[in-house]
Order: sequence, then C-alpha cells, then structure tokens
Amino acid sequence: AQSVAQPEDQVNVAEGNPLTVKCTYSVSGNPYLFWYVQYPNRGLQFLLKYITGDNLVKGSYGFEAEFNKSQTSFHLKKPSALVSDSALYFCAVRDDQGGKLIFGQGTELSVKP
Amino acid sequence: GAGVSQTPSNKVTEKGKYVELRCDPISGHTALYWYRQSLGQGPEFLIYFQGTGAADDSGLPNDRFFAVRPEGSVSTLKIQRTERGDSAVYLCASSFLAGGGYNEQFFGPGTRLTVL
Repeated sequence: AQSVAQPEDQVNVAEGNPLTVKCTYSVSGNPYLFWYVQYPNRGLQFLLKYITGDNLVKGSYGFEAEFNKSQTSFHLKKPSALVSDSALYFCAVRDDQGGKLIFGQGTELSVKP
Repeated sequence: GAGVSQTPSNKVTEKGKYVELRCDPISGHTALYWYRQSLGQGPEFLIYFQGTGAADDSGLPNDRFFAVRPEGSVSTLKIQRTERGDSAVYLCASSFLAGGGYNEQFFGPGTRLTVL
C-alpha cells in the first residue's frame, strides 16, 4: 500500500533562513509525489509535484523539493523563509490504483521574524 | 478563473439528521474527488468520480455516506443519520484526469460539518 510520512509535527525557522520540511514515502511502483500548503480556514493549495525527470522540482512561491529514490524521500525546501510561509504543509502520494491522493499527517511551519 | 467552490461553508446539524454538501468543480475538469479532514490530520480520501460514475468509492466509511455527480459536473455528498464522529471538514477537489493522468488536484475551501 502507498503511504507517506512526515516525521515532524512542527518546524520552526527564523525569517531569512533556509527551511526544510521532511517527507518519506513508501510505494510499490513509481512514486508520484505532491506537496500542498494549507493556510488557516482555507483549502489546500498545490505547490509542486514529482512525476519523472529531474530530482529537483521547482514550484510555487520559491519552494522546491528534492526527490531521493535511495532514501525514499521528497523533502520540501526553500532557500530563504518568509513569515508569510507559516502554514500547514502536506506531502501526498498518488495511489497507483487510481487518482486519489494519500496524504501525510502534515507539518506546521512557523517562521518567526 | 473560478476555482472549486463548496457550499455551505459551515453546516451545523443534530445527531441523526441528514445533510447534503455540494461541490462545484473547475469547468472542464473531468475528475472530482471528496476528502475528509479531521482536526490535526491530513485529508482522507472518500470517493472520486470520473465523469458521472464513481470510479473509486473505497474511502466511504459506511453506507450512511453516498455521493452523486449526475451530469458530470456538480457533485453532492450525502450523509444520512449523522453521528458526532462525522464532524470534520469535507474537501472537494477536481482535476483534468484521474487514472492515467498525473495532474494536480485543485481543492475547494471545504465545508465544516459539526454534528451536535
């Protein structure tokens, strides 16, 4: 069965510092991986996805993610965090039996000035 | 352009009542998904439609839950005999293709259901 894990419930970063939000996955075939962000009282917003190709995927708002097959990881990164990046971040994997997404538990990112 | 819309944004009901939650997907999107998100958790899949038919309803928790998409656009999630454990945010998403497509899903703002 497909699954993703986000080992950190919360990540705290100072504004201007690089940030990393971790995600590991378990799949039976090729991994199709996604990152979404959720701001308070709003729906999920798509950030980026990995389907195939380059291991470094660039997405919205300056975010990028690094796909690492040997470590089965897909960590979300940003070189310089902004206070406005504070939100809940979800990693997800596409189910290989259809289009549904399987989400991790989420990581709350807090960026302090 | 218009995104996915969901109505109502909030629904408070009493235990045992029937509720309907509506989702209006992005125009032209053939796939429509329903998820449920409990506090502090990631969204959990309920059902998805490809066109008018339910392609996968494996996430529906029991037979009190049912969803329809009669014309391949708007979808309604129906919950009978609501229970307090049904309280959650119900999210709808749409995309161009499910199955063989790997397109991202676009989510609506959700309906917060509270069962008293």
